[in-house]
Amino acid sequence: GENVEQHPSTLSVQEGDSAVIKCTYSDSASNYFPWYKQELGKRPQLIIDIRSNVGEKKDQRIAVTLNKTAKHFSLHITETQPEDSAVYFCAASKTNTDKLIFGTGTRLQVFP
Amino acid sequence: NAGVTQTPKFQVLKTGQSMTLQCAQDMNHNSMYWYRQDPGMGLRLIYYSASEGTTDKGEVPNGYNVSRLNKREFSLRLESAAPSQTSVYFCASSEANANTGELFFGEGSRLTVL
Repeated sequence: GENVEQHPSTLSVQEGDSAVIKCTYSDSASNYFPWYKQELGKRPQLIIDIRSNVGEKKDQRIAVTLNKTAKHFSLHITETQPEDSAVYFCAASKTNTDKLIFGTGTRLQVFP
Repeated sequence: NAGVTQTPKFQVLKTGQSMTLQCAQDMNHNSMYWYRQDPGMGLRLIYYSASEGTTDKGEVPNGYNVSRLNKREFSLRLESAAPSQTSVYFCASSEANANTGELFFGEGSRLTVL
């Protein structure tokens, strides 16, 4: 089955700096790659997703890139703010209607 | 519109006891899921239901059973709880169509097995 690895497990940045989180997946049939944000004590929420027919997608300060050949995808957050502090999860599935397998999460801390 | 509702929010069990976590969604979603979240291990899929009347095993199904009672409700049962099942459990639902795969999560249920 699908296996998703995520790095780093923790990431500390200064406010205004950029943050990058990387994930690799094992199943070459996977085509849907969402990212979820979980604030402390809250439920995970979708922040952005990308499908395999797209190499990059942006939404304001966040962007995702996908390299299907290498089977890895990344989350980029620019101009980080303290409210970006949270745990971020990547995930993968064969389609957006299939079961979703998550990575182990990255705890991002943004210091003022 | 409450979204995804889970009960109970907190539960303490003794080893060997049984319990059922309840989940209901009011978004008319086809797919429902149960995940467990443990420190350093992310969200692991226990069971899922792609549509009413169907259920399938996820990554970590051992020790659990599920019931998709109707389109709205998807319950998770621990028949004989073990300390290794101490975790935060999240139910989620998804419209699961060509346009979106977004999972909507409940608030979570924190289970401690002594």
